[in-house]
Amino acid sequence: AQTVTQSQPEMSVQEAETVTLSCTYDTSESDYYLFWYKQPPSRQMILVIRQEAYKQQNATENRFSVNFQKAAKSFSLKISDSQLGDAAMYFCAYRNPGNQFYFGTGTSLTVIP
Amino acid sequence: DAGVTQSPTHLIKTRGQQVTLRCSPKSGHDTVSWYQQALGQGPQFIFQYYEEEERQRGNFPDRFSGHQFPNYSSELNVNALLLGDSALYLCASSLGRDRGSSPLHFGNGTRLTVT
Repeated sequence: AQTVTQSQPEMSVQEAETVTLSCTYDTSESDYYLFWYKQPPSRQMILVIRQEAYKQQNATENRFSVNFQKAAKSFSLKISDSQLGDAAMYFCAYRNPGNQFYFGTGTSLTVIP
Repeated sequence: DAGVTQSPTHLIKTRGQQVTLRCSPKSGHDTVSWYQQALGQGPQFIFQYYEEEERQRGNFPDRFSGHQFPNYSSELNVNALLLGDSALYLCASSLGRDRGSSPLHFGNGTRLTVT
């Protein structure tokens, strides 16, 4: 069974600083996708970044980047130059070849002005 | 470009009642998935609809059922409501059942409270 683990229920970061959110997953598949979603108080889940498992290069989207370690089944999210608008719940998600998504329990990120 | 829309936004029901939640997918999307998000938890997969059929199902009882219409919109029905069904119900759409890295696009959810 696929599981996604986020071991940091809460994190905080000073505005303009860098923070890393951790995620590990368990799967026996070799072809899959990984995602980070952000859920602000408005409740809508917003895609932050995605990574294809067959790509060795880490994905980057502006201030957001990932550290994907396939052998270790680790998929961490780095947020650089943190902004107040980055405050939200962050969910790591695994997508299996059958297009079924599994989510972690989330990390609540606070940005301190 | 219309995103995923869900209705209603909030709903209060009594134990034993039945509820129907509705979802319109993002324009151009043909696959709809439903998730249950309990307070303080991540979304849990309920089921996925593609070409008007349930294609995959998570670990939810038969009290949870759904439907997809020819215009790709979808309904989630829950019968015999329990207190534990209180949660945020998220609808997500995507393009194609197995197509590449198509991410999920989520609606704002329906907050269901069962009393």
